[in-house]
Amino acid sequence: ETGVTQTPRHLVMGMTNKKSLKCEQHLGHNAMYWYKQSAKKPLELMFVYNFKEQTENNSVPSRFSPECPNSSHLFLHLHTLQPEDSALYLCASSLVGGTTEAFFGQGTRLTVV
Amino acid sequence: DAKTTQPPSMDCAEGRAANLPCNHSTISGNEYVYWYRQIHSQGPQYIIHGLKNNETNEMASLIITEDRKSSTLILPHATLRDTAVYYCIVSSDNQGGKLIFGQGTELSVKP
Repeated sequence: ETGVTQTPRHLVMGMTNKKSLKCEQHLGHNAMYWYKQSAKKPLELMFVYNFKEQTENNSVPSRFSPECPNSSHLFLHLHTLQPEDSALYLCASSLVGGTTEAFFGQGTRLTVV
Repeated sequence: DAKTTQPPSMDCAEGRAANLPCNHSTISGNEYVYWYRQIHSQGPQYIIHGLKNNETNEMASLIITEDRKSSTLILPHATLRDTAVYYCIVSSDNQGGKLIFGQGTELSVKP
């Protein structure tokens, strides 16, 4: 248990569906992140939020839409995904400022059919 | 691209020390060396980080060469549960979560 909780753990969705991934942390962190890990590839940073504001979008397609309503919650809204979007989606949180470690959730295994 | 180079895989006998090397020859003066590991299909777990001095915690030791161009993560008594992919990452960012992951080293601890 890392203090970062992701739901659901597994998700299968069709290409025309709309779904959302949820991430929650109660570690008092003020930064949250979405990462994507495709098969046989390194983790890729997708989005960064500091104090609820998006500060980084690493050229992520618009079919992925993040939302950060407060410092403890982060969502990733998914719509019209492609089969190549199937991957493990990981959420992380940390403090802003200083050299601190990140805490990762267990991830959501997404399969697009 | 990741700024580090690690061997793709290593084996270690259970109970022995596991020494995982990392090259970071282009590291800048303000960049730290971080180590994370990822057990199969789980989220990465922080292990240790350092700037130039050697560091030790309850999980591992980090040895950084004097020129800071390479480092070694040491798991003093490896167990089967230490089987994982180990990532060496250099970062100067003041946010702990902005990490550039490479392919890492897949460590297999064998009985």
